[in-house]
Amino acid sequence: DSGVTQTPKHLITATGQRVTLRCSPRSGDLSVYWYQQSLDQGLQFLIQYYNGEERAKGNILERFSAQQFPDLHSELNLSSLELGDSALYFCASSVAATLSYNEQFFGPGTRLTVL
Amino acid sequence: QKEVEQDPGPLSVPEGAIVSLNCTYSNSAFQYFMWYRQYSRKGPELLMYTYSSGNKEDGRFTAQVDKSSKYISLFIRDSQPSDSATYLCAMSADRGSTLGRLYFGRGTQLTVWP
Repeated sequence: DSGVTQTPKHLITATGQRVTLRCSPRSGDLSVYWYQQSLDQGLQFLIQYYNGEERAKGNILERFSAQQFPDLHSELNLSSLELGDSALYFCASSVAATLSYNEQFFGPGTRLTVL
Repeated sequence: QKEVEQDPGPLSVPEGAIVSLNCTYSNSAFQYFMWYRQYSRKGPELLMYTYSSGNKEDGRFTAQVDKSSKYISLFIRDSQPSDSATYLCAMSADRGSTLGRLYFGRGTQLTVWP
């Protein structure tokens, strides 16, 4: 158990809908990362937050947005869902964002299925 | 071309075999090199990391980095059925706007049969 929690474990929804994925980082970690894992693309970085502020953006679609709250939990919002958004979404956390290296601990993931 | 390339396999070996997993990369700014292990329906967990070139050993696992060739390897000695998982290489830069961001290979699915 990494200490990172994600809810829900599974989500099944229809095209055009909107969903929210939730992540609670490990105690003491200030930085949260979101990743998407699909069979054809592998694990892709979406976005990073550090202590409530957006720190870095990867290949995140405009239909997706995220935020980190004062209690450091984070939410990833996916809207106007398409079939191709079906994937595993992982949250990871680390102590800081400004150290040259700090280990990222991954949560168990949310499996999103868009029908 | 993806920044990190990894043969997805699958790779199937008998128990006790030596396993070699590899990744190549194109970004010379990468300085941290990691191997993650991911069991089915679980999140990735860090196995080993190395900084810059060289070797690092941890029990049955050895990580090697050759920056001149932009090539990294993970060796598993005396492989066990419990090693059956997907192994992902990951890399990050040590400075600049992408600091902290991990770039992953697609993962190699390994099965060790008894």
